[in-house]
Amino acid sequence: EPEVTQTPSHQVTQMGQEVILRCVPISNHLYFYWYRQILGQKVEFLVSFYNNEISEKSEIFDDQFSVERPDGSNFTLKIRSTKLEDSAMYFCASRDRGENGYTFGSGTRLTVV
Amino acid sequence: GENVEQHPSTLSVQEGDSAVIKCTYSDSASNYFPWYKQELGKRPQLIIDIRSNVGEKKDQRIAVTLNKTAKHFSLHITETQPEDSAVYFCAASKGGGATNKLIFGTGTLLAVQP
Repeated sequence: EPEVTQTPSHQVTQMGQEVILRCVPISNHLYFYWYRQILGQKVEFLVSFYNNEISEKSEIFDDQFSVERPDGSNFTLKIRSTKLEDSAMYFCASRDRGENGYTFGSGTRLTVV
Repeated sequence: GENVEQHPSTLSVQEGDSAVIKCTYSDSASNYFPWYKQELGKRPQLIIDIRSNVGEKKDQRIAVTLNKTAKHFSLHITETQPEDSAVYFCAASKGGGATNKLIFGTGTLLAVQP
């Protein structure tokens, strides 16, 4: 079964540093997403991406966040200057045209110290 | 704004009993309602979903019901087993389009006691 893969599985970074979280969505999927989950809380929408541009972003997705699909396979989330409150599990997901169901990646646990 | 409420936050049942988790959504334009199971430290995994044009869907021991008028939907697990223990999240979306973002409920920690 096709999978969404995410790297790294765990990243520890110092406050103020930039991090890039990487995702490889399922190859024929067209819609890409980032969600985050603070420990013990619900999964929250960050951003959706389609046709090489952001289609929607949440209030969480401020100027410190950006997304890119640099080479047609990878989908990245960059946080420019991390804060302690950015510590969370970040999930990438992708979806095919005409389908509602998402496939989630296994997540990257980001710890900001 | 868009919101999904989920109850209960924790649920403990004996093995073999049924478990019911309920969600309420706020956006009447929502038309797709998935349920996800999340084991500790793992990704959310889709276990069942329902679209707004049906009222009920069943897959073996799992069923979901939808009441569009009341904006309620529920997950029913029958004959629970210890391996059903996990956090369950409901979600809602408007479906279609370039976004189709999921709005998640707050989760239910289900513990099935052997």
